[in-house]
Amino acid sequence: EDQVTQSPEALRLQEGESSSLNCSYTVSGLRGLFWYRQDPGKGPEFLFTLYSAGEEKEKERLKATLTKKESFLHITAPKPEDSATYLCAVQAGISFNKFYFGSGTKLNVKP
Amino acid sequence: SQTIHQWPATLVQPVGSPLSLECTVEGTSNPNLYWYRQAAGRGLQLLFYSVGIGQISSEVPQNLSASRPQDRQFILSSKKLLLSDSGFYLCAYTRQGAGSYGYTFGSGTRLTVV
Repeated sequence: EDQVTQSPEALRLQEGESSSLNCSYTVSGLRGLFWYRQDPGKGPEFLFTLYSAGEEKEKERLKATLTKKESFLHITAPKPEDSATYLCAVQAGISFNKFYFGSGTKLNVKP
Repeated sequence: SQTIHQWPATLVQPVGSPLSLECTVEGTSNPNLYWYRQAAGRGLQLLFYSVGIGQISSEVPQNLSASRPQDRQFILSSKKLLLSDSGFYLCAYTRQGAGSYGYTFGSGTRLTVV
């Protein structure tokens, strides 16, 4: 069964304390892995798409990487405004119209 | 530009009452449309998706139904709400044949069934 698992469920960081979020997946025929940011009470906002192992994408303090089994979202020197829930989703197999979501990592950055 | 509108933002409904949530997309034709539900502290659960007018696929058998009366309109309905229908409902779309950007989500509807 296709599955996407995110860890940790919650992460508390001090401002400037770098860390990484993990998204592991067990799917057949990966087409793409997506990272989203979700603020409380709002819809998820697109961050990155990764298509193949070894690929990396960067945006400000965020960097996403992909291997054959997992993806990492690295946060360098985070600021309080980076506090949000980060979701990853996988597009895989013949069900190209469907995406499988992890349950998210809730990040809290303290000033 | 492409945008997605979803309303209402919040809704409090009694058990047994009907439900209608509406979602419209602008700036793209023949999008794939989706309804998701997000329970508190949990991931997104795919409820319905549609690849064209009148074409609805249901992912989870439950008290809800969906319809697509127009190309860029997607409606989520229920005849009689249950307490378990409470949650955060998200509409989303993807462009046909364009996987680069994944989903674009609406702003969501917080439904509380009392």
